[in-house]
Amino acid sequence: GAGVSQSPSNKVTEKGKDVELRCDPISGHTALYWYRQSLGQGLEFLIYFQGNSAPDKSGLPSDRFSAERTGGSVSTLTIQRTQQEDSAVYLCASSSWTSDEQFFGPGTRLTVL
Amino acid sequence: AQSVTQPDIHITVSEGASLELRCNYSYGATPYLFWYVQSPGQGLQLLLKYFSGDTLVQGIKGFEAEFKRSQSSFNLRKPSVHWSDAAEYFCAVGPLSGGYQKVTFGTGTKLQVIP
Repeated sequence: GAGVSQSPSNKVTEKGKDVELRCDPISGHTALYWYRQSLGQGLEFLIYFQGNSAPDKSGLPSDRFSAERTGGSVSTLTIQRTQQEDSAVYLCASSSWTSDEQFFGPGTRLTVL
Repeated sequence: AQSVTQPDIHITVSEGASLELRCNYSYGATPYLFWYVQSPGQGLQLLLKYFSGDTLVQGIKGFEAEFKRSQSSFNLRKPSVHWSDAAEYFCAVGPLSGGYQKVTFGTGTKLQVIP
């Protein structure tokens, strides 16, 4: 079956612009995670969705970052007024409620000029 | 708070040689430990995991890892490296809870394989 997909694969934007990154999880997976991977850094947890529960937003670095998950499936990560330090690879992962394994998408490479 | 340290940023090994990637963790209780691999341009793939039982766990692609509680380590090993193993490897630790896995990842070790 299809894995986790993310779009776009690459995004170049100008400082101050807003961007939207999309994640399509594996069908039936109730849990969805967003991570940020900066050069030389590990994966930084951003936000977690599980079913209809309130998301865990504890990893969002500022109020410029927000995320939605519509219908318990597709998720969009929005970064407003982008800054150069937002440049990174943004990874999405999903898992089923009973699984301990997260399945990762290929990521979106964001470059802010 | 949970944390993971991968002391080696970059490792180079010859094809056919053995490999050991180090991982040290900090966690207040019994940890749930993972190794993931990220090939260029791809997402992370789970290699293996440990939460209980035999401290030597086998994973995919011929990898294994050994949990040593006394050393707070979970090192990844492979007896004979193949050129296709060149990738970045991430160790991770999380709580033993069903479902939600707020996992903390290390900074990764980039493996280069030379002929």
